[in-house]
Amino acid sequence: AQSVAQPEDQVNVAEGNPLTVKCTYSVSGNPYLFWYVQYPNRGLQFLLKYITGDNLVKGSYGFEAEFNKSQTSFHLKKPSALVSDSALYFCAVRDLRPLNSGGYQKVTFGTGTKLQVIP
Amino acid sequence: GAVVSQHPSRVICKSGTSVKIECRSLDFQATTMFWYRQFPKKSLMLMATSNEGSKATYEQGVEKDKFLINHASLTLSTLTVTSAHPEDSSFYICSASPTVHGGAFFGQGTRLTVV
Repeated sequence: AQSVAQPEDQVNVAEGNPLTVKCTYSVSGNPYLFWYVQYPNRGLQFLLKYITGDNLVKGSYGFEAEFNKSQTSFHLKKPSALVSDSALYFCAVRDLRPLNSGGYQKVTFGTGTKLQVIP
Repeated sequence: GAVVSQHPSRVICKSGTSVKIECRSLDFQATTMFWYRQFPKKSLMLMATSNEGSKATYEQGVEKDKFLINHASLTLSTLTVTSAHPEDSSFYICSASPTVHGGAFFGQGTRLTVV
């Protein structure tokens, strides 16, 4: 069974400082990894994804994430935090292997990390 | 990116009534859509996988007769909460992917309040 762990319920960072939101995963096959952001009472917005290639993936709003296979981690990072980055962040994983039916496997989410950027 | 539209964004209903939530993929065809429920402590729970033209696949613990899913076309899936009770109050989110290797895109969510 696949799983995602986001060890921090909340991360506080001062505006202008670098931020990191941690994520580790477990999956049987090759992982397909995502980060999503959720603003209050809104659905999830896609930030970035990793399938293969460069371990450092760049996404929306200046965010990036680093895939580390040996540590099974996919931490979200940003060099300089903005107050507007304050939101709930979800890491997710899907097994890349297609189903026998030709469809694709479900996405498993972490429990989310609340990012608070302090002015 | 791909657009998934969910409607309504907010609904209040009386206990015992049914509520239908629509999820549409606006610019791509989605043979598979997923329905999630988000609990107060943030976690997202997959409720079911909606397959176009066939029965939905429900996760363990999700009542099929309570949460009816219909995926009538390649761009529309509906979730009907039947005989709603206050404990069904929650945030429901759908998602779909344009391709097998595409990112999952989410609707804006529906806040259901049962009074």
